[in-house]
Amino acid sequence: DIQMTQSPSSLSVSVGDRVTITCQASQDSNNYVNWYQQKLGAAPKLLIYDGSNLAAGVPSRFSGSQSGTEFTFTITSLQPGDIGTFYCQLYGDLPRYGFGQGTKLEMK
Amino acid sequence: EVRLVESGGGLIQPGGSLKLSCEASGLTVSGNYMTWVRQPPGMGLQWVSTITSGGDAYYSDSVRGRFTISRDISKNTVYLHMNSLRAEDTALYYCARDRQWELDYWGQGALVTVSS
Repeated sequence: DIQMTQSPSSLSVSVGDRVTITCQASQDSNNYVNWYQQKLGAAPKLLIYDGSNLAAGVPSRFSGSQSGTEFTFTITSLQPGDIGTFYCQLYGDLPRYGFGQGTKLEMK
Repeated sequence: EVRLVESGGGLIQPGGSLKLSCEASGLTVSGNYMTWVRQPPGMGLQWVSTITSGGDAYYSDSVRGRFTISRDISKNTVYLHMNSLRAEDTALYYCARDRQWELDYWGQGALVTVSS
């Protein structure tokens, strides 16, 4: 099974900050990573699919990229409504989906 | 508008059985892959099971042999039949539309608590 290691596990942030979250795959994969945001008490929401494509209605301050087995998610200028927990997710054969451990953003 | 509504959660004793339902509107379960993902309290997301548009079923190692995914096309509903439940199955169970590589629509979740 491909394992996804996500870091950091938490981040203390301020409005306007540039935020970067990374996921490292345990082995090379031809598949892309997706990124989800989960706000407190809500279901996860798809933000980025296929590594760098914005889901419908997602602001352009969110972006994703890949370099080898490392996948990066970036918020260029954090807004108050961006607070929550972010997960990377890799599609595979079995298990069908592997999720990172999550990164919790908290306001300073 | 796509809407997924889970139901059937509750408190169940270890070894018991429970059936979760996911009623879909705005899409057809027959024309889509549908997936169950769970989230234990205070923890991250875990893939549980997927049913393809062709009716093939896939399971995580932790539930294979105990859980069964199925669908009723006439009711536009997907089910998760859970048997031999364990304490570690305690979680919020989400139903999601599966675009085969990502999950783009999610329900609000159904809470399953396995405890004596």
